[in-house]
Amino acid sequence: DAEITQSPRHKITETGRQVTLACHQTWNHNNMFWYRQDLGHGLRLIHYSYGVHDTNKGEVSDGYSVSRSNTEDLPLTLESAASSQTSVYFCASSDVGLENTEAFFGQGTRLTVV
Amino acid sequence: RKEVEQDPGPFNVPEGATVAFNCTYSNSASQSFFWYRQDCRKEPKLLMSVYSSGNEDGRFTAQLNRASQYISLLIRDSKLSDSATYLCVVNWAGRRALTFGSGTRLQVQP
Repeated sequence: DAEITQSPRHKITETGRQVTLACHQTWNHNNMFWYRQDLGHGLRLIHYSYGVHDTNKGEVSDGYSVSRSNTEDLPLTLESAASSQTSVYFCASSDVGLENTEAFFGQGTRLTVV
Repeated sequence: RKEVEQDPGPFNVPEGATVAFNCTYSNSASQSFFWYRQDCRKEPKLLMSVYSSGNEDGRFTAQLNRASQYISLLIRDSKLSDSATYLCVVNWAGRRALTFGSGTRLQVQP
């Protein structure tokens, strides 16, 4: 069965360190997204990609970067982790060009920055 | 103002009750509408899409009012297993990324 997986599921890191969260999907979806979820804010869009070598900033992109070198993967990098980036991170994917299609989410990565 | 607004709840209802959630959106160019369900510490999953004419899926009914820019979800005959957070989701033409409300928490009690 096709799926979308995130790793690690839990991570604790120190302030100032670079951290990369992995997202891998086997749906062959062109669209991939990264969200963060915090209490009281719901899911907020960090970055998204519509295909290989395409990346776009979302509403809360400061301090984050992504790259898309193939269809399956969209790693999220925190350049210099800050305590404000402690959150639950969700990766998602959806089919190309269809605004009305379902987005499939990974199980999330719980990141703690100390 | 948030693009998608929901009452956070919690809504505490007894089993068998009917409960309704509303959601308002600010972008009049919003084109697609959904309700997602999220269980505690889990990923969101699609509950149902919302169509202009309204649609029903078993005990769940979704309605869209474009003039007033709100979406509703009605759950009839609530089950304990319906306890979750319900996320109102929209996107607009040309943008494939979904915009989420903060969610409404439902707790169904025995």
